[in-house]
Amino acid sequence: QQQVKQSPQSLIVQKGGISIINCAYENTAFDYFPWYQQFPGKGPALLIAIRPDVSEKKEGRFTISFNKSAKQFSLHIMDSQPGDSATYFCAARGSEKLVFGKGTKLTVNP
Amino acid sequence: NAGVTQTPKFQVLKTGQSMTLQCAQDMNHEYMSWYRQDPGMGLRLIHYSVGAGITDQGEVPNGYNVSRSTTEDFPLRLLSAAPSQTSVYFCASSWTDTNTEAFFGQGTRLTVV
Repeated sequence: QQQVKQSPQSLIVQKGGISIINCAYENTAFDYFPWYQQFPGKGPALLIAIRPDVSEKKEGRFTISFNKSAKQFSLHIMDSQPGDSATYFCAARGSEKLVFGKGTKLTVNP
Repeated sequence: NAGVTQTPKFQVLKTGQSMTLQCAQDMNHEYMSWYRQDPGMGLRLIHYSVGAGITDQGEVPNGYNVSRSTTEDFPLRLLSAAPSQTSVYFCASSWTDTNTEAFFGQGTRLTVV
């Protein structure tokens, strides 16, 4: 079963625009929510992460918003750049396992 | 600092053949895991280990075996390859199983014909 649901599957944004990717989860035992970025031919790399006792975390142009009651979290990329074009995965960790969403392919047009 | 090293990078197998995908990390991480990545399916957990001598199954363990005799190495064995195992395989490691960054290898692209 899919424990983390991610949307959209693909996203096209103009340079300078805001990219928003959403994730939802069911398991309330999850206690760590990272986002990973993957470029073609490479392994995923940690982008930013949040714990459920915090509603928002910002690192540069990247922000995670977390809604514990709705069991949802999202990634916002401000001032999106062509170099941000990649596949993004949300994930959730609990019970010794890190489970991933299905990914969002982001394309930022110049 | 090499991080997580996977070998080989590419492999073609015939149905029924067996092989081992190698994974080594030099960060003294306790937790290691194997994922497979298929188009539209994201990353699915195959097996994981919380320390040397301890392994457990993930979401899609059938057809795969693992062992963890040392902290550094976590090989993944395909017992009898099937076309459904055509995928990109990623090994990852982290300090512990909770709340820490997972470092991924570069992946092994496996094709079973």
